[in-house]
Order: sequence, then C-alpha cells, then structure tokens
Amino acid sequence: KAGVTQTPRYLIKTRGQQVTLSCSPISGHRSVSWYQQTPGQGLQFLFEYFSETQRNKGNFPGRFSGRQFSNSRSEMNVSTLELGDSALYLCASSLEPSGGQYNEQFFGPGTRLTVL
Amino acid sequence: GNSVTQMEGPVTLSEEAFLTINCTYTATGYPSLFWYVQYPGEGLQLLLKATKADDKGSNKGFEATYRKETTSFHLEKGSVQVSDSAVYFCALSASSGYSTLTFGKGTMLLVSP
Repeated sequence: KAGVTQTPRYLIKTRGQQVTLSCSPISGHRSVSWYQQTPGQGLQFLFEYFSETQRNKGNFPGRFSGRQFSNSRSEMNVSTLELGDSALYLCASSLEPSGGQYNEQFFGPGTRLTVL
Repeated sequence: GNSVTQMEGPVTLSEEAFLTINCTYTATGYPSLFWYVQYPGEGLQLLLKATKADDKGSNKGFEATYRKETTSFHLEKGSVQVSDSAVYFCALSASSGYSTLTFGKGTMLLVSP
C-alpha cells in the first residue's frame, strides 16, 4: 500500500506570494492533518480534516487555510507569504479522526518551503 | 493544555551503548503516547506507542513504558547502532476529541562507530 505522498517536495517563493501544497493520504484513510516544522518552534499542528470538514485548527493566522476533497486528498494554502513561513510542512493521514483505536497518524515526507 | 517535554540533544553515543531519552508530559485524562523518529530529509515514522498506563511499546529494539504516576514515557534501547542516528520525537494524543498530536521539541541522537 502506498504511503502518504506530498507534492511538491521543495518550493521557493518570495514574500507576498501565495502557495498551495498537496497531500494524498494512504488509501482508505479519511482523516488528514497538517503540521509545520521549524527549528525554533518544532512541530506545530495546523489543522485536521475529515470527510471534507475541518475538525480542528491550531493557533495559526488566517493566512493559513486548507481543504479536503471527496477523495480525501487535501491541500493547504498560505497567502501573503512571510519569511517566517519557511518550514517543512508535514501531512499525516489516519483511518479515524479522533479518539478511536485506529487514529494512528502516518506521515508523508513533507514539503520544504523556502520564502525569500 | 497538553504539553510534552523531552531532553535536549544532541545525545552522542558510541555504537552498542545504552540509550535513554527522557520524555514527560502534561495532559488531562488518559492520552495515548508515541515515539516518532525522523531520519535526515524524511518525514516522521512511528517508532512505538502505548495507549494506557503501564503499557510497554516496543519496536526494533526500542522500548518505552507508559508511567502515569510519573507522567513519563522514556525511550530506551539496549545497544544502539550507527543507523539509529536520527531525531526522536515524543508525542501525545488526547484521550478524546481529536487525534491531534502534541510533540516535544525532539532529541537528536548521534551514534559513532
């Protein structure tokens, strides 16, 4: 079974631009979560989607948004990029979204975003 | 709120040495606890997990026991290998509500031959 895939793997943007990152979960997984990883802040939760609905959101500004499609694929968008948005963005999928026995999360390789 | 504290690195060991990476947590209720490993240039891989008190998670020679009385989940391995060099993250998932993971800062392990 294929793992979580993320595209693109690397991205370079300039301040003020916007960016869209894509995540395809493991087949059969309906929950997708996004995390931002930076050297200073570590791993921080962005948001979680299940059945095309955002179930949970981390403490990030409104410039960060996401969505999930009917095939469970997810995208996240960052508008008006700032230098501090440079990070590794990780996507994780799980069978169930919450509290269940099968909510173990499987991570993709990440998208490395550099903002110049 | 939930939080995870783990020892800062890097931890530098010689091959075949004993490894301990400390992890303590703060959470309400009964969270699930996890150790993830990140190799250079890759995403996170689940190493082991425990879902209730006194459970021991184990995988690839690594072990960790869920200690509710000390709110700890320390990672141990009896004999490390060079290939174990990576960053290790302790994490928790709340007992109810959402599967969102709260991570520690990560501990880099460097194993020399």
